[in-house]
Amino acid sequence: KNEVEQSPQNLTAQEGEFITINCSYSVGISALHWLQQHPGGGIVSLFMLSSGKKKHGRLIATINIQEKHSSLHITASHPRDSAVYICAGGSQGNLIFGKGTKLSVKP
Amino acid sequence: EADIYQTPRYLVIGTGKKITLECSQTMGHDKMYWYQQDPGMELHLIHYSYGVNSTEKGDLSSESTVSRIRTEHFPLTLESARPSHTSQYLCASSDGFNEKLFFGSGTQLSVL
Repeated sequence: KNEVEQSPQNLTAQEGEFITINCSYSVGISALHWLQQHPGGGIVSLFMLSSGKKKHGRLIATINIQEKHSSLHITASHPRDSAVYICAGGSQGNLIFGKGTKLSVKP
Repeated sequence: EADIYQTPRYLVIGTGKKITLECSQTMGHDKMYWYQQDPGMELHLIHYSYGVNSTEKGDLSSESTVSRIRTEHFPLTLESARPSHTSQYLCASSDGFNEKLFFGSGTQLSVL
């Protein structure tokens, strides 16, 4: 069992839908990262959070330290949001990554 | 946005060859990382660095080495490439351990 688990593995949505991707972890962490990976491999950091909630445009990330759980929400989804979303947690540089959630948003 | 560069982008090489994957960043970040990612799988940490002359091993470090002689440069060397090394190699940097990560475009390595 991976120490960082994401669900769902695959997600198909219609344009405009509200999307939630979940991440649970069993390791102690000092920070949790949400990353976006597009076809071709390029990775972009979306959020880094250690408590509470962060918002950037249509993206919202939350974390519950007690429950060891984080969620990434996308409001008003768009086909350009189609990508693999990865959560990663750890401390002192040694991050453990989830397998990713492959999101496909249909027009 | 990211000022972190990896070369080559693609590399096909024969078994037994020594190869060095290059990674450079112009952001002045102290922390740099090398990750390996197989298709559809999670990233695994190979090596990371706290700063100049400081490197640490990750989970997959046994068959590779790194050096950090300059802040901006963090090359990864495979002394003897094997087909099992076929994978994507991603370099990243951050201003601190709990700071935002910046990734390079990756090197897709194929060992025949």
